[in-house]
Amino acid sequence: RKEVEQDPGPFNVPEGATVAFNCTYSNSASQSFFWYRQDCRKEPKLLMSVYSSGNEDGRFTAQLNRASQYISLLIRDSKLSDSATYLCVGQMDSSYKLIFGSGTRLLVRP
Amino acid sequence: DTGVSQDPRHKITKRGQNVTFRCDPISEHNRLYWYRQTLGQGPEFLTYFQNEAQLEKSRLLSDRFSAERPKGSFSTLEIQRTEQGDSAMYLCASSTPTSGRQDEQYFGPGTRLTVT
Repeated sequence: RKEVEQDPGPFNVPEGATVAFNCTYSNSASQSFFWYRQDCRKEPKLLMSVYSSGNEDGRFTAQLNRASQYISLLIRDSKLSDSATYLCVGQMDSSYKLIFGSGTRLLVRP
Repeated sequence: DTGVSQDPRHKITKRGQNVTFRCDPISEHNRLYWYRQTLGQGPEFLTYFQNEAQLEKSRLLSDRFSAERPKGSFSTLEIQRTEQGDSAMYLCASSTPTSGRQDEQYFGPGTRLTVT
């Protein structure tokens, strides 16, 4: 079983739609979580850190449920430019290495 | 540009040859990481430096792989006797501890290695 699991998608949504991605992690020792965005053949770019209290950055909202070992990303009012792969990432306090899911692909159509 | 830089961006080599990649982290970032990414997968951790000390290595880092960060600034990753299975994108990231915040890692553009 992978340590971080995501639905690969693709999620195909119209502009303006709200879309939610889910991610589960298996290691309860994981302490820090992130969402990265990756465009085709480019490097991952940090989208946002995920905090236990939940956090919002513009159209993006991230939630963490430690009891269910579940992380989510909500994108409101989707733009064409949101089309990318979204990577769910965990990190344990005992190690600084990032543990990536395989990514969820989002396609926003006009 | 003050981001992470990597050189070269692309490398094509024949099986059995040695290759070396360079990473320059964000200025004053004391942590530097190497990852490898293959098509359709998320990046996988290879190794990590804090300043010049190599503190963690993945099982993925076979004896043919070696990484250095001699002065705690730039880092090199060398692959000896390359194999076709080494073909991947090699990504470097850097970070610095920030009070009250998680360890946010910023990635360079990567070096795409093709072994023929």
